[in-house]
Amino acid sequence: ELKVEQNPLFLSMQEGKNYTIYCNYSTTSDRLYWYRQDPGKSLESLFVLLSNGAVKQEGRLMASLDTKARLSTLHITAAVHDLSATYFCAVMNRDDKIIFGKGTRLHILP
Amino acid sequence: DVKVTQSSRYLVKRTGEKVFLECVQDMDHENMFWYRQDPGLGLRLIYFSYDVKMKEKGDIPEGYSVSREKKERFSLILESASTNQTSMYLCASSPIGLSWGIITDTQYFGPGTRLTVL
Repeated sequence: ELKVEQNPLFLSMQEGKNYTIYCNYSTTSDRLYWYRQDPGKSLESLFVLLSNGAVKQEGRLMASLDTKARLSTLHITAAVHDLSATYFCAVMNRDDKIIFGKGTRLHILP
Repeated sequence: DVKVTQSSRYLVKRTGEKVFLECVQDMDHENMFWYRQDPGLGLRLIYFSYDVKMKEKGDIPEGYSVSREKKERFSLILESASTNQTSMYLCASSPIGLSWGIITDTQYFGPGTRLTVL
């Protein structure tokens, strides 16, 4: 059974700092998603990572995938307040179901 | 832009009532999904559908049923609502291929329905 674990679950950081959110999963998969959710809003797709070594960047966010280590990272560079949100990773299992992590609530202090 | 709409943003029902949550997407997507989101638990898949009249159980289907009579509409039904079904319900859609590992597109989510069962 595929399990997806994110850490940390809560993160408070200063503007301008760098930080990384980790997403580990327990069984082989070649498709990983990152989503963002603002308070009271629905999920918005950020990245789809399909292969080992895949790296995608959008603004101050960069996501990478290491399928051998079953690990994806979401790196935040020079954080700004607008990036405060909850970030979810999700992984597709062998039955083509998408399993979500519990989310990382990110709070960026001005 | 893909648009996924849900019939209600907020809903309050009583224990034992039958509840219908409606989801409509306007991008001709084959796949549609229902999740519930609870604090500390992330999103959990209730049911999904990969075609009209087709449905598959997700991880937590107990107490729920679904209906997909038309491609654009996917309904979640709580036959007899209970207090432990108080939650945020999110609908999503995606184009064909998500179930076949061919197309790489992601899921598009609706705004969510916050259901309270008293």
